[in-house]
Amino acid sequence: DAGVTQSPTHLIKTRGQHVTLRCSPISGHKSVSWYQQVLGQGPQFIFQYYEKEERGRGNFPDRFSARQFPNYSSELNVNALLLGDSALYLCASSGWGSGVTDTQYFGPGTRLTVL
Amino acid sequence: GENVEQHPSTLSVQEGDSAVIKCTYSDSASNYFPWYKQELGKRPQLIIDIRSNVGEKKDQRIAVTLNKTAKHFSLHITETQPEDSAVYFCAASARPSSNTGKLIFGQGTTLQVKP
Repeated sequence: DAGVTQSPTHLIKTRGQHVTLRCSPISGHKSVSWYQQVLGQGPQFIFQYYEKEERGRGNFPDRFSARQFPNYSSELNVNALLLGDSALYLCASSGWGSGVTDTQYFGPGTRLTVL
Repeated sequence: GENVEQHPSTLSVQEGDSAVIKCTYSDSASNYFPWYKQELGKRPQLIIDIRSNVGEKKDQRIAVTLNKTAKHFSLHITETQPEDSAVYFCAASARPSSNTGKLIFGQGTTLQVKP
């Protein structure tokens, strides 16, 4: 949904550097998920947060970390960047309803290029 | 592990024809199945979703069917139009049986609708 915002739009880094990506969910949504989408593939789950607590972690190395703030916005951090980290990083917002899986709405993504 | 297989990887149809994309999931606890459309350089946009308590859902020219026994679900687009051309992704989630609402995505289908 257009309500999910991400920054920056594009980012170019060199190997070994660190990067921080930011996401603001749709107003009223308390859950944020992060996905990595490599060109030509489907998004891969990295993290999910709800009420500032980690609710899920995908198969990514410890160089990837995230957190959620009291206003439900979120940051994804990647340390010691590798060429293979080049991808579109998507943030998804959902409401986390009781007993059901909520629809996830994606932001426009941050295109990260590692040189 | 959890996996979603999607076929075909590419699909070309004439305008006005129907298009069918099929997905198979491995996690029998999966209970939520969304479909996303992603145009080049843009965010994935939800086009339709189905939960495990129903077998079919329609929204104008788009329909999704679910066969829980066979663990597969399909997207049907009728009367295709050139603006339907995009990459389509299926996904599956197992919440609330799993405490995370992570989406497991298929590899994507590139649909081309020829005028």
